[in-house]
Amino acid sequence: EPEVTQTPSHQVTQMGQEVILRCVPISNHLYFYWYRQILGQKVEFLVSFYNNEISEKSEIFDDQFSVERPDGSNFTLKIRSTKLEDSAMYFCASKVRVEKLFFGSGTQLSVL
Amino acid sequence: QQPVQSPQAVILREGEDAVINCSSSKALYSVHWYRQKHGEAPVFLMILLKGGEQKGHEKISASFNEKKQQSSLYLTASQLSYSGTYFCGTPIVNFGNEKLTFGTGTRLTIIP
Repeated sequence: EPEVTQTPSHQVTQMGQEVILRCVPISNHLYFYWYRQILGQKVEFLVSFYNNEISEKSEIFDDQFSVERPDGSNFTLKIRSTKLEDSAMYFCASKVRVEKLFFGSGTQLSVL
Repeated sequence: QQPVQSPQAVILREGEDAVINCSSSKALYSVHWYRQKHGEAPVFLMILLKGGEQKGHEKISASFNEKKQQSSLYLTASQLSYSGTYFCGTPIVNFGNEKLTFGTGTRLTIIP
């Protein structure tokens, strides 16, 4: 079965540094998402992306966050100036239209 | 708008049946169910559609209550591999774009 690929699997950074999390969605998918999960908690929606633009974003997704699909295959999440509370597992997900979401294996971000 | 799941955690012996509930403040037109193993991404299990149609897993079923504000997931004759955290996801559609809002999660532990 096709997979959503995320890199890196782990990222450790100092507070205030910029990080870029990368995702390669499944090739024929049209809708792209970033979710995050703080250890032991629920999966939280961050942002959805369709037709090369953000379609919806949550309150968490403030000015420090941005997403891009620079080359038609990669889908990136950038955090400009990381904070301690940004430490979480970040999941990329994609889907064709309706129905199931395919999740990547996640990037564990640790902000020190 | 976040769905509330119950119970928060349950421990069962292999072969026993499990029921996991997902409650919403608004009527649902569909509910997605995902299972997450520790340290892994959520994996799609099934979708329950408004008319009661189900798409997904052979040994797992779901239903709505009368007002369609609660969905229940039924795991019959549970196996050790069923252990994990179960999340319901309720779709919210804005301008034709759908995002999933995940519930609070139910941790299921199956013991021999």
